[in-house]
Amino acid sequence: RKEVEQDPGPFNVPEGATVAFNCTYSNSASQSFFWYRQDCRKEPKLLMSVYSSGNEDGRFTAQLNRASQYISLLIRDSKLSDSATYLCVVSGRDTGFQKLVFGTGTRLLVSP
Amino acid sequence: EPEVTQTPSHQVTQMGQEVILRCVPISNHLYFYWYRQILGQKVEFLVSFYNNEISEKSEIFDDQFSVERPDGSNFTLKIRSTKLEDSAMYFCASTEVGAMNTEAFFGQGTRLTVV
Repeated sequence: RKEVEQDPGPFNVPEGATVAFNCTYSNSASQSFFWYRQDCRKEPKLLMSVYSSGNEDGRFTAQLNRASQYISLLIRDSKLSDSATYLCVVSGRDTGFQKLVFGTGTRLLVSP
Repeated sequence: EPEVTQTPSHQVTQMGQEVILRCVPISNHLYFYWYRQILGQKVEFLVSFYNNEISEKSEIFDDQFSVERPDGSNFTLKIRSTKLEDSAMYFCASTEVGAMNTEAFFGQGTRLTVV
């Protein structure tokens, strides 16, 4: 089983749509959770950390379900500039305290 | 805004040659990392470095690879004898503290092509 699994997509949505991505992780000892964004052939950049209580940053909402080992990202009112690959990332004991473990990413294409 | 810088942006090398990829992490960061991403695949951890020594490494990071912090600013990844399958984007990253609960800042990457 992959350490971090994501649907690769692509998700094709029109501007203004709401889109949700999911991610599952295999290691129950994982302790830190993130969503990173990666534009084509560029470096990953942190979009947001994911906390147990769930958290929101503008149009972006992240949720964590530790019991199901499941992380989600909701993007509301999609913009053309949201087109990118969204990487689910975990870290923590057993996954390796000093490393990030990446999913393969979910590609989002927002069209006019 | 502080950033991680990497040089060169693109390196083409012949199989069997040695390459050195260079990185300048953010100045007040204490942990440094190398990751790689083969085209079309996920980002994979190679090695983490703290207090002038390797703190963790992956199975990918075999004897062909080495890292060094030769001075107070640079952090290098050396591949001794490159193979075709080493072709990838190599990202350097740094964090203020360890990888838990902290943002990792990535450099723009070095695209290594082994021919």
